[in-house]
Amino acid sequence: AQKVTQAQTEISVVEKEDVTLDCVYETRDTTYYLFWYKQPPSGELVFLIRRNSFDEQNEISGRYSWNFQKSTSSFNFTITASQVVDSAVYFCALSEARSGGSNYKLTFGKGTLLTVNP
Amino acid sequence: AAGVIQSPRHLIKEKRETATLKCYPIPRHDTVYWYQQGPGQDPQFLISFYEKMQSDKGSIPDRFSAQQFSDYHSELNMSSLELGDSALYFCASSTRTSGGPVYNEQFFGPGTRLTVL
Repeated sequence: AQKVTQAQTEISVVEKEDVTLDCVYETRDTTYYLFWYKQPPSGELVFLIRRNSFDEQNEISGRYSWNFQKSTSSFNFTITASQVVDSAVYFCALSEARSGGSNYKLTFGKGTLLTVNP
Repeated sequence: AAGVIQSPRHLIKEKRETATLKCYPIPRHDTVYWYQQGPGQDPQFLISFYEKMQSDKGSIPDRFSAQQFSDYHSELNMSSLELGDSALYFCASSTRTSGGPVYNEQFFGPGTRLTVL
């Protein structure tokens, strides 16, 4: 069974601080996909990034960066120079590849509430 | 670009009533997923359909049923509603993913907020 753990329930930072959200996952599959989603107070789920298990290249996109390490089963997310608009719940999610396709349900972590104060 | 459409966006029901949530996937998407997110909780997978057939089932109560129609839209039917069914219900759609390095993204709808009084 797949499992995603986000140990940080809430994080509060002051604007312009850097913040890292932790995510640890468990899966028996060798091929899987990891995601970060943002859920602002309005409630919609906003897709941020997907990484494939066979691609450990880390990525930077503007103020966002991701650190994927298979050796430690971690997929951490960093926001540089945080802004008030970054305040939201952030979910890490995992999807296992199934033979025959069609079944790629997402398993989410419990989420981390990030509050960025002015 | 067209997105996933969910209706209604808000729904208020009494206990023991029934509710039907609708999901219209992005054009040419043939796979639909339903998720339930309780207050302060993470989204939980309920059920998915591919080409009008159920492809996987999660923690969906027996009081709930769902189907996908020939035009690929999907409906989630909930009967004998309980207070605990109050949640945000998300539908997501994708094209079929056959495994390997190609992953066809799940696009989420805005959700239907169900309140059971």
